[in-house]
Amino acid sequence: GEDVEQSLFLSVREGDSSVINCTYTDSSSTYLYWYKQEPGAGLQLLTYIFSNMDMKQDQRLTVLLNKKDKHLSLRIADTQTGDSAIYFCAVPRANNLFFGTGTRLTVIP
Amino acid sequence: DGGITQSPKYLFRKEGQNVTLSCEQNLNHDAMYWYRQDPGQGLRLIYYSQIVNDFQKGDIAEGYSVSREKKESFPLTVTSAQKNPTAFYLCASSMGQLAYEQYFGPGTRLTVT
Repeated sequence: GEDVEQSLFLSVREGDSSVINCTYTDSSSTYLYWYKQEPGAGLQLLTYIFSNMDMKQDQRLTVLLNKKDKHLSLRIADTQTGDSAIYFCAVPRANNLFFGTGTRLTVIP
Repeated sequence: DGGITQSPKYLFRKEGQNVTLSCEQNLNHDAMYWYRQDPGQGLRLIYYSQIVNDFQKGDIAEGYSVSREKKESFPLTVTSAQKNPTAFYLCASSMGQLAYEQYFGPGTRLTVT
């Protein structure tokens, strides 16, 4: 079945870049998504990439997709304390989304 | 404002009691979903509904039940058969089948003692 893997934790210093990685198994995915969850809240859609793209940039966010290796990454430039959250990648599966375990990003002032 | 509401934010129950979590959306979305979140395990799909009066089991449906009598509403009942009900429950909706972009409510934290 589908599997989506992420590292559980990442710590970076304020102002540095953060790179959050995700690997997935299903190669039929059309869109791949990144969601952000702040403490005690629901998930917020951050960005997505279509599977025929290698890269998508949206302000401080850059999504890279290596379809051959089934590897997705989210880069946050100039990371701020407000970026501290859990980040989930998600891939389509049948009629819904399959979520990774989430990466907890801690930004150190 | 359009969005998804879940109530209550925090819920406490004694073991052996059924409890119903509310989820309402005014986005005119056809599809709705329930997820359970436990630390270090990400989100796991409990039930989903693509259309009114129809729903399907997700990966961890045992001990849960749902109904979809109205497009706007998708309540989740956590029954006494659910062995580990304490968790954070998230409701989401999307435009419809194959519309994978999901929008989430703020969640309900259920504690059963």
